[in-house]
Amino acid sequence: KAGVTQTPRYLIKTRGQQVTLSCSPISGHRSVSWYQQTPGQGLQFLFEYFSETQRNKGNFPGRFSGRQFSNSRSEMNVSTLELGDSALYLCASSFSARYEQYFGPGTRLTVT
Amino acid sequence: QQPVQSPQAVILREGEDAVINCSSSKALYSVHWYRQKHGEAPVFLMILLKGGEQKGHEKISASFNEKKQQSSLYLTASQLSYSGTYFCGLLTLEAGGTSYGKLTFGQGTILTVHP
Repeated sequence: KAGVTQTPRYLIKTRGQQVTLSCSPISGHRSVSWYQQTPGQGLQFLFEYFSETQRNKGNFPGRFSGRQFSNSRSEMNVSTLELGDSALYLCASSFSARYEQYFGPGTRLTVT
Repeated sequence: QQPVQSPQAVILREGEDAVINCSSSKALYSVHWYRQKHGEAPVFLMILLKGGEQKGHEKISASFNEKKQQSSLYLTASQLSYSGTYFCGLLTLEAGGTSYGKLTFGQGTILTVHP
């Protein structure tokens, strides 16, 4: 069974730009969650989607948004990038949000 | 609210045992344990559900005390491959169940196993 895939793996952007990250979950998984990981703040929950609906959202500004498609693939968008947005962005999929989540390799975003 | 993990770091020799603790100030639905090696994604180890159901790695065990809102991960006869950062993630019980799917992670415990 193929694992969770994320594209791109690495990104370098300039302050003020926007970025879109993509996540393809494990086949059959309908729940996709996004996390931001930084050395200072650890793993922080961004949002969770299930069947194209956002069911939960973390404490991040509105510049962070996402969506999920009918095939369960998900995208995350960050607009007006700030230096503090530099982080590893991880997505995780699960059969149902209440059960174990499987993480993708992450997208390393660097904002200069 | 972020769960509290202890200890923050532990150093072991191969074959030694370790316990990592995770506590919450909120009522828990489930506890998830993950291990992350440097430069890699977190890997699922174990999930403990309210009511006693467990599922996970055969060589790692864990406990979940619902009354105390605590969980402990037991690593026995450690191997070099156990080195990494261990995270607990909590799903809390909130009104209407709206927290389902919102895993809140602890700050991590760095485990180093030496030969």
